[in-house]
Amino acid sequence: EDKVVQSPLSLVVHEGDTVTLNCSYEVTNFRSLLWYKQEKKAPTFLFMLTSSGIEKKSGRLSSILDKKELSSILNITATQTGDSAIYLCAVETSGGYQKVTFGIGTKLQVIP
Amino acid sequence: GAVVSQHPSRVICKSGTSVKIECRSLDFQATTMFWYRQFPKKSLMLMATSNEGSKATYEQGVEKDKFLINHASLTLSTLTVTSAHPEDSSFYICSARVGAGAYEQYFGPGTRLTVT
Repeated sequence: EDKVVQSPLSLVVHEGDTVTLNCSYEVTNFRSLLWYKQEKKAPTFLFMLTSSGIEKKSGRLSSILDKKELSSILNITATQTGDSAIYLCAVETSGGYQKVTFGIGTKLQVIP
Repeated sequence: GAVVSQHPSRVICKSGTSVKIECRSLDFQATTMFWYRQFPKKSLMLMATSNEGSKATYEQGVEKDKFLINHASLTLSTLTVTSAHPEDSSFYICSARVGAGAYEQYFGPGTRLTVT
């Protein structure tokens, strides 16, 4: 059974801090790893990672995939209160039919 | 624990036919279930929120007569795409939440719908 595990489950930091969120997976026929930010309604897509070791960056957010360790991290530097959200990691697999497995998410709270 | 399944995992249907997708919470009771559509660039669009025993709440722009949602029990919600057209071809994902106070959503593995 495919599994995606995120850690920590929740995190409280002060504005300006840097945070690292972790995602590890055990899946068959890995295709890509996705990061989403969920605030209210639908999760907002952040990154898609397919190749190991290549960092993807968007403003203060960055992410990297380590296929050897079957994991990914999402970094947020200089956190702001607007970064408070649930961050979801999902892994897409292929091989017959498309399937996505989501982690339970990391709840990040950034306090002033 | 907290497993959500979807059935079927993929379906191909002809234009004009209807397709039903099931979302089940296997080991917990889900008071709320969500239906999403994933677009090619991986963005997720929330289609509707379904609460057991009541009518689903549809997001703006989602046709309720086209995408029928039924949350008949605490473990089952269904999405029926009626009179499907090729533009309805997409990856549909459901998720389930235990209770109103909980924030965790447990996602299903998705259903790939192809309308020919």
